[in-house]
This record gives sequence, C-alpha cells and structure tokens, in this order.
Amino acid sequence: GESVGLHLPTLSVQEGDNSIINCAYSNSASDYFIWYKQESGKGPQFIIDIRSNMDKRQGQRVTVLLNKTVKHLSLQIAATQPGDSAVYFCAEGFQKLVFGTGTRLLVSP
Amino acid sequence: EAQVTQNPRYLITVTGKKLTVTCSQNMNHEYMSWYRQDPGLGLRQIYYSMNVEVTDKGDVPEGYKVSRKEKRNFPLILESPSPNQTSLYFCASSIIGEPQHFGDGTRLSIL
Repeated sequence: GESVGLHLPTLSVQEGDNSIINCAYSNSASDYFIWYKQESGKGPQFIIDIRSNMDKRQGQRVTVLLNKTVKHLSLQIAATQPGDSAVYFCAEGFQKLVFGTGTRLLVSP
Repeated sequence: EAQVTQNPRYLITVTGKKLTVTCSQNMNHEYMSWYRQDPGLGLRQIYYSMNVEVTDKGDVPEGYKVSRKEKRNFPLILESPSPNQTSLYFCASSIIGEPQHFGDGTRLSIL
C-alpha cells in the first residue's frame, strides 16, 4: 500500500547546527506534503507545506525540499535551538492525511 | 483564541462500556477529522468529515462511529471499547485544502 516513511528515528544535534530531517514517500501521484512538529503532551503543529509543482519552499528558519524523481522530502532547520526539540512528522494528502512514523530531534546546548 | 478542544484529555475505562470523546473547533472550519497515534505506527486517520452530515472512513474506522450534526462539533464514539483501542487520539480541523489544526489529544486506556 501507499506509505510515507522516515529514514531515521532520532536525530541529535548541537544548538546552532543546521538540522535535516528526511522523508520518503511511495505514491508518485502525491501532490501535497506537510511537515508537523509534535512536542510532548501536545498535538501536531503545522510547520510548513509544499505542493508538487514546487521543489523548494522557505519559511522562518525552515526550508522544505521536494525531489519528485526519487520521491523524497526533507525539512531543514537552520540554527537549531533547544526549543526545536520535538518529534517531526511528514504527511501527505489533503483530506486523507497519511503520516510518517516521525523523527525525534534532540538539541543539546 | 483559535483552537480545537478535546474532552476528556485522559480516560481509563473498561471493555464494553460505551464512551464518547468530544471535539469542538471555533474556527468555522468545514473539515474535521479523528486520528489515533500508536508507538511505531504514527498517526492514522479514523474518520473525517467534509461538512455537516458528511462523514467518510479513514484508514482505521473499525470499532468507531462519528457524527457531524453541527459544524463546530465532531464527536468520536466507541460503542463497545476493547483494549486494542487503547491509544492517543487527536481531533483536527481545517478549511478544505489547507493544513489541519490539531487538538492536544485524548489518552484512552481500556482495561
């Protein structure tokens, strides 16, 4: 079946480093992707999204890259801060969202 | 403040005792949805609703019911809960075609 997956379960970085979280998807017809951040005890929080007619989109300290050739999505966080520590999910779709299993980002001072 | 509110936040109950988890949003969103989150499986969609009186199954609808009688409310009903429905549940809402906003979750334990 279709799936959205993540390469690494945990990513540990130092404060100030840039972080890159990766995601692979299998449905070549996917046309909308979202990154969510989930902190302990809270629901997923929208970070940034991208549509399939784009290959890059930037927000505040975050960039999402989409490579449709290899069906790969990445989230880059610049100058990572301790407050960025959380689980990050990629998701695909509009009404029927399909989530990856998540990557835990640990930021040490 | 724009928000999605779930109640209760925590519930421990027993097999077979009907329960309802309420979800309410104050953003006038047409779309609402329920997910469950389990370790190693991520979030999986249970049911969603595109508008009042319109509901559809997600990926894991078995054992659950929903209703959408009003735009702001989307309750999740477990008619006869079983231990395999022990999970963390999230409600979400959105304008159709835009990212979903999530509530803070309801942790259900069914003994």
